[in-house]
Amino acid sequence: DGGITQSPKYLFRKEGQNVTLSCEQNLNHDAMYWYRQDPGQGLRLIYYSQIVNDFQKGDIAEGYSVSREKKESFPLTVTSAQKNPTAFYLCASSIGPSVHEQYFGPGTRLTVT
Amino acid sequence: AQSVTQLGSHVSVSEGALVLLRCNYSSSVPPYLFWYVQYPNQGLQLLLKYTSAATLVKGINGFEAEFKKSETSFHLTKPSAHMSDAAEYFCAVTLNTGGFKTIFGAGTRLFVKA
Repeated sequence: DGGITQSPKYLFRKEGQNVTLSCEQNLNHDAMYWYRQDPGQGLRLIYYSQIVNDFQKGDIAEGYSVSREKKESFPLTVTSAQKNPTAFYLCASSIGPSVHEQYFGPGTRLTVT
Repeated sequence: AQSVTQLGSHVSVSEGALVLLRCNYSSSVPPYLFWYVQYPNQGLQLLLKYTSAATLVKGINGFEAEFKKSETSFHLTKPSAHMSDAAEYFCAVTLNTGGFKTIFGAGTRLFVKA
């Protein structure tokens, strides 16, 4: 089955630790995205990548970093600089940047205490 | 500024009743419009999309939406609600403003009463 996988489903960390969220897709999509979801705020774009070895900041990139070394993988690191990291994180992909519907993974719920 | 507004953070209907979820957008360029559904603790799933073809768009699970340019709206409807429709629904707009950008609405949670 083709799709997007995110792991783990739930993640707990202590404040001050960096944590990396995994996102893998086997849809052969060029574009990939990371969103943060908080109650009542919809989805906010953290980073996106239109092609391998290239990525751009979204609306709330501060405190986050990404890499895109392989087409199928787009990991997100939540650094200790992110002031309020507890949230639901969603990864998505699309065929290309000009094809607009996005396919979403199941999400990772990160709790930092 | 480009934006998406979903009227009503919560909507409650009885099983079998009409579902109407409202979405208005603000855009200076022709938009691409989408509705997504999210079940608890899951990712989003595409319900339907408008990409400048027919203004009435049919999606999965019996949902449809009509693009009304004069009203800058893209409301989602379903004639008869089912218990399984209870979820959160997001309207999204993709704009080409020198690069493609997708903006999501804040979401509307649909409750279906037996």
